[in-house]
Amino acid sequence: NAGVTQTPKFQVLKTGQSMTLQCAQDMNHEYMSWYRQDPGMGLRLIHYSVGAGITDQGEVPNGYNVSRSTTEDFPLRLLSAAPSQTSVYFCASRPPRSANVLTFGAGSRLTVL
Amino acid sequence: GQNIDQPTEMTATEGAIVQINCTYQTSGFNGLFWYQQHAGEAPTFLSYNVLDGLEEKGRFSSFLSRSKGYSYLLLKELQMKDSASYLCAAFISGGYQKVTFGTGTKLQVIP
Repeated sequence: NAGVTQTPKFQVLKTGQSMTLQCAQDMNHEYMSWYRQDPGMGLRLIHYSVGAGITDQGEVPNGYNVSRSTTEDFPLRLLSAAPSQTSVYFCASRPPRSANVLTFGAGSRLTVL
Repeated sequence: GQNIDQPTEMTATEGAIVQINCTYQTSGFNGLFWYQQHAGEAPTFLSYNVLDGLEEKGRFSSFLSRSKGYSYLLLKELQMKDSASYLCAAFISGGYQKVTFGTGTKLQVIP
């Protein structure tokens, strides 16, 4: 099993550009989530999904969109990138309805100029 | 609201014992995670406490007091590879059962 796979690992964007961070897991986890990690701020939840076709907002959802068409994939879209979105993004998944451990992807480092 | 506090940085000597504290004020608290994160890498799971008390797992132990809103991670026989950030995280029930993270404690182990 590959676990949680994120692409790309690094990306540089100009302000106003759009892009999609990809996340895929092969563990049949129903719950998937996106976090961003900034110095001094810790990991903050952006969006999450409890199953295919179901998504909801976390703590810092503004500027980001998600969709969940399959159990395996949970892409994060930036429609118009801003410098404030410069961060390291982590996708994480876990089995549903219990306090099971989050499995994290390797992270995607995004810089918006 | 949710509030999780832990020290920003700590330094300890190789072979020693270090305790990293975490205090939390959260509604719907269900349990307390500890994750380890090496620089430039993803967080990895260390422990999860639901009940009060100490849980030991090799060189690492984690303690929880629900009445005091307090947890600590104890690392024994420190090794250089233990230099990392240690993230305290609360599991919140109700709604969507989210995990809320503290800002992390950066531990430097020195020879």
